[in-house]
Amino acid sequence: AQSVTQPDARVTVSEGASLQLRCKYSYSGTPYLFWYVQYPRQGLQLLLKYYSGDPVVQGVNGFEAEFIKSNSSFHLRKASVHWSDSAVYFCAVSALDSNYQLIWGSGTKLIIKP
Amino acid sequence: EAAVTQSPRNKVAVTGGKVTLSCNQTNNHNNMYWYRQDTGHGLRLIHYSYGAGSTEKGDIPDGYKASRPSQENFSLILELATPSQTSVYFCASGDGGQNTLYFGAGTRLSVL
Repeated sequence: AQSVTQPDARVTVSEGASLQLRCKYSYSGTPYLFWYVQYPRQGLQLLLKYYSGDPVVQGVNGFEAEFIKSNSSFHLRKASVHWSDSAVYFCAVSALDSNYQLIWGSGTKLIIKP
Repeated sequence: EAAVTQSPRNKVAVTGGKVTLSCNQTNNHNNMYWYRQDTGHGLRLIHYSYGAGSTEKGDIPDGYKASRPSQENFSLILELATPSQTSVYFCASGDGGQNTLYFGAGTRLSVL
C-alpha cells in the first residue's frame, strides 16, 4: 500500500531564509506527486505537481520540488521565504494501484519568523 | 473562474440531529470528494463520486452518507450526528486521471 510521510509537523524559518519541507513516499513504481498549500481558514490549493520528465518541477510563488526516485522523496524548496508563506503544506501521491486516489501526508506547518 | 463552493461555512448541530453539508462545483469535473480534517490526522477521505448518481465509500465512511444528484452537486449527510464528527469538512472536485483536486473553503461543524 502507498503511504506518504512528512516527518516534520512544524518548521520555523526566518524571513528571507531558504526552506526545505520533506516528503517521502512508499510505492514501488513512480507515482504522481503533489504539493498543496493551505492558508488559514481556507481550502487546499495546488502548489506544484510531478508526473514525469524533468525531476525538478517549478510551482507558484517561487516554490520548486525535486523528485528523487532512489530516495523515494519529493522535497519542497524555496530560496527565500516571505511572511505570506506561513501556511500548512501537504504532500500527496497518487498511482494506478489506488485508482489514482490521493494519499495524503499529515502536513507540515510552516512558521515564518520576522 | 472555476470554483468549488461549500455551504454552510459554519454549522452547530445537536447530538442525534441530521446534518447536510452541500457542495457545488463549476469545474465540470466528473470526480468529487468529501474529506474531513482533524489535527494530527491530515485529510481523511469519507466518500467520493465519479459522476451523477454515483457514490463510493472512502477510508472513513461510517456514520456518513453521500448523494450526487447532478454533475455540479455533491452532499454529505450525517443522519445521526455525534460529537466525534466535530471537524472541518472539505469538498473537492477532480479532473480524473492524474487527479489534481480543487478544494472548497471548508465547513466547520460542531456537534454538541
